[in-house]
Amino acid sequence: DTGVSQNPRHKITKRGQNVTFRCDPISEHNRLYWYRQTLGQGPEFLTYFQNEAQLEKSRLLSDRFSAERPKGSFSTLEIQRTEQGDSAMYLCASSYYRAGYTFGSGTRLTVV
Amino acid sequence: AQKVTQAQTEISVVEKEDVTLDCVYETRDTTYYLFWYKQPPSGELVFLIRRNSFDEQNEISGRYSWNFQKSTSSFNFTITASQVVDSAVYFCALSEGRAAGNKLTFGGGTRVLVKP
Repeated sequence: DTGVSQNPRHKITKRGQNVTFRCDPISEHNRLYWYRQTLGQGPEFLTYFQNEAQLEKSRLLSDRFSAERPKGSFSTLEIQRTEQGDSAMYLCASSYYRAGYTFGSGTRLTVV
Repeated sequence: AQKVTQAQTEISVVEKEDVTLDCVYETRDTTYYLFWYKQPPSGELVFLIRRNSFDEQNEISGRYSWNFQKSTSSFNFTITASQVVDSAVYFCALSEGRAAGNKLTFGGGTRVLVKP
């Protein structure tokens, strides 16, 4: 288990379609975070889980976005009815409470 | 609410020059962590350093050094004798609270271009 894994690496979708991304954290990490990074900006916090509980959601996370972390293991982020403004890099990170973060390589979403 | 400001959007230097990246933060917490990350063209965020708010000692790691000053709420990063491989976007970030694994607030990033 060498790091945080995100799939797919790239996703191109048509506007209005639904997409789902997956993140597999480091196994012993109890926290899992989703961030979004648009071109030329720093990553912005979307939501995080501690084990299977979703503890915080940013106001950036509209009702078209939903995230789950069943059984406190991998997580999925779904975007329904995608819009062009959803085009971004979606980053997942995991951490253990008092330790630092490990980021995945991200999923780059392009909505055409 | 916490905020991180990186006033320099892009810095261009010639190889072997030193480059300093500024980072200013705002937080109401007395306990917090500061981070620097490197994002090369491949896109992955590479962890460089973490400091907690109680440790104001400056740190040097190879060609990298960090200057943490609570009095000015700054956590600046210097690359000495820059190399082409240092070309990347660098992000400063802040997490509040006692846990280093809390959510991060990032600055807007500084793009460093090192020319041969």
